[in-house]
Amino acid sequence: KQEVTQIPAALSVPEGENLVLNCSFTDSAIYNLQWFRQDPGKGLTSLLLIQSSQREQTSGRLNASLDKSSGRSTLYIAASQPGDSATYLCAGQNTGTASKLTFGTGTRLQVTL
Amino acid sequence: EAGVAQSPRYKIIEKRQSVAFWCNPISGHATLYWYQQILGQGPKLLIQFQNNGVVDDSQLPKDRFSAERLKGVDSTLKIQPAKLEDSAVYLCASSLEAAGSNGYTFGSGTRLTVV
Repeated sequence: KQEVTQIPAALSVPEGENLVLNCSFTDSAIYNLQWFRQDPGKGLTSLLLIQSSQREQTSGRLNASLDKSSGRSTLYIAASQPGDSATYLCAGQNTGTASKLTFGTGTRLQVTL
Repeated sequence: EAGVAQSPRYKIIEKRQSVAFWCNPISGHATLYWYQQILGQGPKLLIQFQNNGVVDDSQLPKDRFSAERLKGVDSTLKIQPAKLEDSAVYLCASSLEAAGSNGYTFGSGTRLTVV
């Protein structure tokens, strides 16, 4: 059974700082890993999708990496802005589980002025 | 491309009442999912449809929850009767194919409060 853990649960950084969010998973038979952003009271917005054959994906100031052997993924946010404040969720999809996503509990990020 | 549409956005009901949520996925997306997100937790899959057939409903509390996807497009999720612990955000998502290799698109969710 896949279990996904995100550390830290909450993080506060000053504007302009680079930061890393961590995601670990227990089952290395992962098909893909997806990072989402969730604003308060809103649904999930997909940020980056990493296929199992890939090591990383980049979109603007965001870079996500995937290391299946160690069971880890990281989301790197460069030059953070107050608008980046949100909860960030990672979710893994295992092979053979008919595309079910297993989510972590999220990291709540606050970027202060 | 229009996103995943969900309604209502908010719902407050008393325990033991019934409630229904509606989802319209992205056009052409064969796979539709309902997730339950309790405050402070990550979303948990309730049910997955491939076209109008159920692929996975192993975590759906079938004594009180039901879902259908008629004609392989829109879907409804019903709770009857509701319990206090059903208070959560119910998220609908869709993907182009069952493998989800192109990722998932989520709707804005329905926030249910059971009092």
